[in-house]
Amino acid sequence: QKEVEQDPGPLSVPEGAIVSLNCTYSNSAFQYFMWYRQYSRKGPELLMYTYSSGNKEDGRFTAQVDKSSKYISLFIRDSQPSDSATYLCAMSNIQGGSEKLVFGKGTKLTVNP
Amino acid sequence: SQTIHQWPATLVQPVGSPLSLECTVEGTSNPNLYWYRQAAGRGLQLLFYSVGIGQISSEVPQNLSASRPQDRQFILSSKKLLLSDSGFYLCAWRKDSYGYTFGSGTRLTVV
Repeated sequence: QKEVEQDPGPLSVPEGAIVSLNCTYSNSAFQYFMWYRQYSRKGPELLMYTYSSGNKEDGRFTAQVDKSSKYISLFIRDSQPSDSATYLCAMSNIQGGSEKLVFGKGTKLTVNP
Repeated sequence: SQTIHQWPATLVQPVGSPLSLECTVEGTSNPNLYWYRQAAGRGLQLLFYSVGIGQISSEVPQNLSASRPQDRQFILSSKKLLLSDSGFYLCAWRKDSYGYTFGSGTRLTVV
């Protein structure tokens, strides 16, 4: 079983739709959970991060972590064409100076005007 | 402010040729540095990471090597490229406990 599983999509939605992106993981030691957005031919940029379980909201974006189910989600409200990108989940546990992020494979999202 | 520079943006190299990709970070000291490769359908694969000058950890056996000659410089190298080395190479540094900052990437095509 892979450490992090993410549905690669692609996902195509109309402008204004609510988008739900999800990842599951197997390592119960993960404590930090992140979502990155990657535009075509660019490096990933950090979008959201959460520690342990719970919700975090930032504008149109909401990140949820359910550690009991080993499941994380990113919700995008009122999606815009500019949200079209690949979204990668990532997670880590602190192991001193050798902390490493483990990434999902990414979900490609297209928001159609 | 902290910034990360990575170059070149695009590279086309013949099989068997050497490779050198450079990454530098500004505005911070003693960062953790990382090299990732992103191939279509395979996600981000960690290749090397470094917690200090001269300290390199390799995550996967491969045709590549990394060096950290200075605190804020991280170099990815190969003596002889293979077709399978094609991909999108990303350098990153750890900003804090919550995430990494990535460079803009180098798209390498081995022909």
